[in-house]
Order: sequence, then C-alpha cells, then structure tokens
Amino acid sequence: ETGVTQSPTHLIKTRGQQVTLRCSSQSGHNTVSWYQQALGQGPQFIFQYYREEENGRGNFPPRFSGLQFPNYSSELNVNALELDDSALYLCASSTARQNTEAFFGQGTRLTVV
Amino acid sequence: AQSVTQLDSQVPVFEEAPVELRCNYSSSVSVYLFWYVQYPNQGLQLLLKYLSGSTLVESINGFEAEFNKSQTSFHLRKPSVHISDTAEYFCAVRRMEYGNKLVFGAGTILRVKS
Repeated sequence: ETGVTQSPTHLIKTRGQQVTLRCSSQSGHNTVSWYQQALGQGPQFIFQYYREEENGRGNFPPRFSGLQFPNYSSELNVNALELDDSALYLCASSTARQNTEAFFGQGTRLTVV
Repeated sequence: AQSVTQLDSQVPVFEEAPVELRCNYSSSVSVYLFWYVQYPNQGLQLLLKYLSGSTLVESINGFEAEFNKSQTSFHLRKPSVHISDTAEYFCAVRRMEYGNKLVFGAGTILRVKS
C-alpha cells in the first residue's frame, strides 16, 4: 500500500470541457509529480510541485495546470480538453531528497469524447 | 536530455523459464535507475532501484537488475517466472542532481504462459 490516492478513478468528458483531477500524497512526502500515460506508452512527465510551487515542467501546453496545497495534496487541471488528452493520469509523491523513490497512485483514467 | 530505450515491446515466456527485459539509457550526467511494474488497470509499483553502491540490485519477489555504466544498461532478469509475473514493466531514469522527474521507457509486456 503506497498511500497515494487519486480521485476519481474514471472520468468521461466532452471535448472542450475542463477537468480537475486530485491526488493525496503519502504521509511525509512534500513533492508531487503528475504524469500522463497514453495507451501503449510509458508515462510522460507533466510537472512537479514542491512546497506549493511548480518546480519543473515537461513538454505540455499551458492548458495543463496544477496546484499543491499546504497539506501537500495536489490537483491537475486541464482546460479545453482535446481527444488526445484521453489517457491514464498518474500522480507520484516523494520527498525532496535526491536518493529516494517516487510512489505512484492508481491513476485516473480520463476519456475525452 | 535523457532517454530510455526498452528494446522489446513484448516478451512471451513459459512458466518457470528465465527472462531478461532489456533497458538502455542515454544521459550526459549520472542518473538513478528504476524498474516499475504495472498490472492491468492499475498504477505503477516500484520493483527495484539503483541509487548507489552495489550495481546488482534485487527485489523481494526474485527479480534482479544490474547497472552497467559502461554499456548504459539496466537489464531486468528473473531466473524462473510465474504466471503472476504477467504485467507491463517500465524502466525509468532520474538525474542525480536535480528534482524528481522520471523519464520512462515505452514499456515491455511480459506474458507468462503455462
């Protein structure tokens, strides 16, 4: 049991809509990262939050945005949804120390129709 | 920039046979290395990691991986697989000196047949 929980588990949205995905990090972890895993591919890094600030971003457009709260939980927001946004969205929590690993949640399966 | 190549998209193998899942990476800086496993409709579970020390690392369920710096490889091996090992396996790297961003390979589906 990793302790990282994501909600909802599944979601269907219409193209052009907006969506918010949520993640509760593991106890003691202050860093949250989000990944997009399209069907048949490896996860791709979206961005990372540390102490409520974004401190790293992958090659994703600005319509992908996030928040981290004082309790280190996090949200991923995607505006103007496109069909290609359909994917499994994974949240990972970790500490800021270099020599530690990230623990992943079960993911949110987003389908855009 | 880092990249990870998993050389086989699918590996079929019979139960109790040995298996090797190959992973090569490219990076101009020192990295940490990881193997994650993903069962259908689930998230990623850490299988094993190389952070420092011995280049041979082992998991609790019989998998092992060896970090080879000269060949920039981190191949995953198991001497005898079980049906329950059927899953997708992802190799990932992370730079030592910055952040926690993981760069993943495309994954290898291990199919264990009886």
